Amino acid sequence: EVQLLESGGGLVQPGGSLRLSCAASGFTFSSYAMSWVRQAPGKGLEWVSAISGSGGSTYYADSVKGRFTISRDNSKNTLYLQMNSLRAEDTAVYYCAKDQSGLRWPDAFDIWGQGTMVTVSS
Amino acid sequence: DIQMTQSPSSLSASVGDRVTITCRASQGISNYLAWFQQKPGKAPKSLIYAASSLQSGVPSKFSGSGSGTDFTFTISSLQPEDFATYYCQQYNSYPLTFGGGTKVEIK
Repeated sequence: EVQLLESGGGLVQPGGSLRLSCAASGFTFSSYAMSWVRQAPGKGLEWVSAISGSGGSTYYADSVKGRFTISRDNSKNTLYLQMNSLRAEDTAVYYCAKDQSGLRWPDAFDIWGQGTMVTVSS
Repeated sequence: DIQMTQSPSSLSASVGDRVTITCRASQGISNYLAWFQQKPGKAPKSLIYAASSLQSGVPSKFSGSGSGTDFTFTISSLQPEDFATYYCQQYNSYPLTFGGGTKVEIK
């Protein structure tokens, strides 16, 4: 069964850092691009960042560029999001999502994780 | 960036009703359009990709159409489990962008 499991969320003070992880199973992880998508409380979905299957190419939303870093360890089947200089407006549930086919980039998402909550507050 | 405008933002409907949601892109995106369902407190679920193709396991009561800038999503006969928020998303180019969502509520 294809599965994504996020972890690493929590409460952090403004200006602080946090690293999220997304453990993948049930598919050849290195063959697929992956993304992070977030959802602030009561709001809609916002794409945050994406990384190619090899990890050699990355994209970021303007709202996080220069503060967040996406990476992956294909030997561990794990996706990461390093979040620095956190702000109150970064408070959200963060989801990882898998690209569908590995044949096109970007591609549709087919699988989502269950999400991990990040709260930025003093 | 490509803006996605989804309408309506909410609707009330009865079990058995046919429901249609529209999504408009600010520039042409071919058929690189997906639809997602999200229930309260849950992760989004992928329903449709390439504007009209159903994800594996998704029932045929869900359908999508469109190309270019104008797209529609339809539930042919609304069931109790379909009450949720639905989002469109373009994946033609980065940054990926979502519509604002349509909350489908019970009348």
